Amino acid sequence: AQSVTQPDIHITVSEGASLELRCNYSYGATPYLFWYVQSPGQGLQLLLKYFSGDTLVQGIKGFEAEFKRSQSSFNLRKPSVHWSDAAEYFCAVGMFSGGYNKLIFGAGTRLAVHP
Amino acid sequence: SQTIHQWPATLVQPVGSPLSLECTVEGTSNPNLYWYRQAAGRGLQLLFYSVGIGQISSEVPQNLSASRPQDRQFILSSKKLLLSDSGFYLCAWSSNRTPLTEAFFGQGTRLTVV
Repeated sequence: AQSVTQPDIHITVSEGASLELRCNYSYGATPYLFWYVQSPGQGLQLLLKYFSGDTLVQGIKGFEAEFKRSQSSFNLRKPSVHWSDAAEYFCAVGMFSGGYNKLIFGAGTRLAVHP
Repeated sequence: SQTIHQWPATLVQPVGSPLSLECTVEGTSNPNLYWYRQAAGRGLQLLFYSVGIGQISSEVPQNLSASRPQDRQFILSSKKLLLSDSGFYLCAWSSNRTPLTEAFFGQGTRLTVV
């Protein structure tokens, strides 16, 4: 069955430190991969996505993610975290199943940033 | 440009009362529509999806139902709410093309059943 795993429920980093959020997926076909960010009480905003080509993709707000097929991973990174990055981050796999497109999400990682 | 509207933003309802959450999309035609529920620590669970008017599919058995009376309108309903229906509900749309290139989300409804 298709699934997305985000092993870290909570992560705390200091402002200015680097960040890596982990994401592993299980999907038999070529995955379409996404990272979304959610501020408290808000909807989801797309950070970046991967479909094909260069396995290192750049997104908004200084985020990047690397697709590693051999590890079934799509980890999100940022070299220097800002206090405004505190939010919940969701990894998702897009798939065509049962005749329609859908996104399967991980459980999310809540990021706290210390000053 | 496309926009998605979802209301109400917050709702407190007693157990056993009915529910109706509405979502509308503007600026696109024949979108795929989705209802997700977000419970604390459990990520986003896909509840319903729709590929056209009157075409609803459910991902999980539950106390809720969905309807799509118009092309760009998607409604989440319940006849009698349970405490376990509390959560944050998100409506989303995507193009009906394959593959799915992006899904766009509304601002969500915080439902508290008391």
